[in-house]
Amino acid sequence: EPEVTQTPSHQVTQMGQEVILRCVPISNHLYFYWYRQILGQKVEFLVSFYNNEISEKSEIFDDQFSVERPDGSNFTLKIRSTKLEDSAMYFCASSDLYGGRGDTQYFGPGTRLTVL
Amino acid sequence: GESVGLHLPTLSVQEGDNSIINCAYSNSASDYFIWYKQESGKGPQFIIDIRSNMDKRQGQRVTVLLNKTVKHLSLQIAATQPGDSAVYFCAENSNNAGNMLTFGGGTRLMVKP
Repeated sequence: EPEVTQTPSHQVTQMGQEVILRCVPISNHLYFYWYRQILGQKVEFLVSFYNNEISEKSEIFDDQFSVERPDGSNFTLKIRSTKLEDSAMYFCASSDLYGGRGDTQYFGPGTRLTVL
Repeated sequence: GESVGLHLPTLSVQEGDNSIINCAYSNSASDYFIWYKQESGKGPQFIIDIRSNMDKRQGQRVTVLLNKTVKHLSLQIAATQPGDSAVYFCAENSNNAGNMLTFGGGTRLMVKP
């Protein structure tokens, strides 16, 4: 069964450093998403991406964040200058189209980001 | 250091019993709802979904009920097994352009053998 994959599984970085989190969505999907989950809290939406552009972003997704689909298979989240409060699990998700909109979102296993 | 997390409501059931997990959603414009299961250290795993033109949908051992009048969603698990132990989240899609999902706070299901 196709699944979303993410690398690395755990990333440790120093405050102020740039990190890039990588995702390979399900191959025939057209919508891509990033969510995050701070330890013990709800899953929170960051950004959605369709047709090579951002469809929607939350207030969490400020100028320090960016997304890119550098080729036909990868989808990345970059944090330019990490802060302590960026420590969280970051989940990538992807979905197909249904009625012109994104359909069921399937999540990857996550990348645990620890900012020291 | 670690942040203080939400206090998750916990449902404890005996193996073989049925489980019912409830969720109140917030946006009356939401037209698509999903239940996810999250095991420790893993990503949310799709269980079942329902669109707003339905009030009930059944899967294998799971049933989702939607009551739009009171903005309430429930997940019923039949013959609960130890492998069902996890945190369960409901999520709503409020028909926005970016398909943003808004997740609920989660319920921890513990299955006693």
